[in-house]
Amino acid sequence: QLQLQESGPGLVKPSETLSLTCTVSGGSISSSSYYWGWIRQPPGKGLEWIGSIYYSGSTYYNPSLKSRVTISVDTSKNQFSLKLSSVTAADTAVYYCARVTAMHNWFDPWGQGTLVTVSS
Amino acid sequence: NFMLTQPHSVSESPGKTVTISCTRSSGSIASNYVQWYQQRPGSAPTTVIYEDNQRPSGVPDRFSGSIDSSSNSASLTISGLKTEDEADYYCQSYDSSSVVFGGGTKLTVL
Repeated sequence: QLQLQESGPGLVKPSETLSLTCTVSGGSISSSSYYWGWIRQPPGKGLEWIGSIYYSGSTYYNPSLKSRVTISVDTSKNQFSLKLSSVTAADTAVYYCARVTAMHNWFDPWGQGTLVTVSS
Repeated sequence: NFMLTQPHSVSESPGKTVTISCTRSSGSIASNYVQWYQQRPGSAPTTVIYEDNQRPSGVPDRFSGSIDSSSNSASLTISGLKTEDEADYYCQSYDSSSVVFGGGTKLTVL
């Protein structure tokens, strides 16, 4: 059974870079059928897609975040990562990683999520 | 980019049927598949409908999905409501360059 687990600092200072890693277990990140995505959810608010990456390194990002986001993949470790630069309090959210069907952008399964707070 | 608009909240009694709508602002709703996710407090979202009207294994057939090109919207219908269905529901779709989630609908079963 495929599982995803987010990891990284729970507290980031304003103007710094948020860095998270998603570790995939129970399956290969190098599958040609899937992308791997990041989604976030500010406290009490809805879901926002951040971006997705293919095992080859091909990426696509939410236009509203594109200038600050970098997603990368490490197939040797079965992991993919998120970097979000110049963070502010508005970036405080639960960050989720998920597998994404390449054909139809279906996000399933999801990791449990990790809360990242931006504060000095 | 397009938006997906959902009602903020809906409520219904146990045993009844409720429908949650998801309207696409531009582009045809039929052009790209719609997914529906259920999110209970403190938990990650899980899929209840994918590819417009398909149910993952383990999701009861009380959950169904459809699309209506005339209103450019998708719908999630839950019949025989149970208290355990009380949750937030999100629709999601995409186009050639991006993925979009609806704002979410809080379902109260009272």
